[in-house]
Amino acid sequence: KQEVTQIPAALSVPEGENLVLNCSFTDSAIYNLQWFRQDPGKGLTSLLLIQSSQREQTSGRLNASLDKSSGRSTLYIAASQPGDSATYLCAVRTNAGNMLTFGGGTRLMVKP
Amino acid sequence: DAGVIQSPRHEVTEMGQEVTLRCKPISGHDYLFWYRQTMMRGLELLIYFNNNVPIDDSGMPEDRFSAKMPNASFSTLKIQPSEPRDSAVYFCASSTGTSNIQYFGAGTRLSVL
Repeated sequence: KQEVTQIPAALSVPEGENLVLNCSFTDSAIYNLQWFRQDPGKGLTSLLLIQSSQREQTSGRLNASLDKSSGRSTLYIAASQPGDSATYLCAVRTNAGNMLTFGGGTRLMVKP
Repeated sequence: DAGVIQSPRHEVTEMGQEVTLRCKPISGHDYLFWYRQTMMRGLELLIYFNNNVPIDDSGMPEDRFSAKMPNASFSTLKIQPSEPRDSAVYFCASSTGTSNIQYFGAGTRLSVL
């Protein structure tokens, strides 16, 4: 059974810092990996999707990398802003179906 | 498109009552997912449909939970009878088979007293 872990569970940084969020998964036979953002009281918004054949994806100040063999992904946020404060979740789709297995999330606070 | 629409946004009910949560997926999406989010267990997939057909319901916790998708634009998740431990935020999401990106609704916050 796929298990997804995110470290740290919470992170607080001053505005302007570059930061890295980590995601690890136990079964490397994945189809793709997604990073989501969740604001308090809201649903999830997809940020980046990396196919299993890809090593990274970039969108603006966000860069996500994937090392399938080691079961790891990172989300890099450059020049963090208070508006980046949210919970970030990674989710893995296995080859077995269209289901996503989510990590517990990292709650990020960027202080002005 | 208005995105995935869920109703109600909040539901407060008493133990033993029937609860029905509703979801309208994005038009043209052929996959629909129901998730439950709690502090203790995080986000868990309950069931998903493809072309209105349930594909995997292994995440449905008990027989008290049931889900239907009578047509491509509507799905329900029903809990009967409800229990306090069912209190959670329930999300619906939809996607296409080609893009794999799941779009989430705003969720229904359920409180069972």
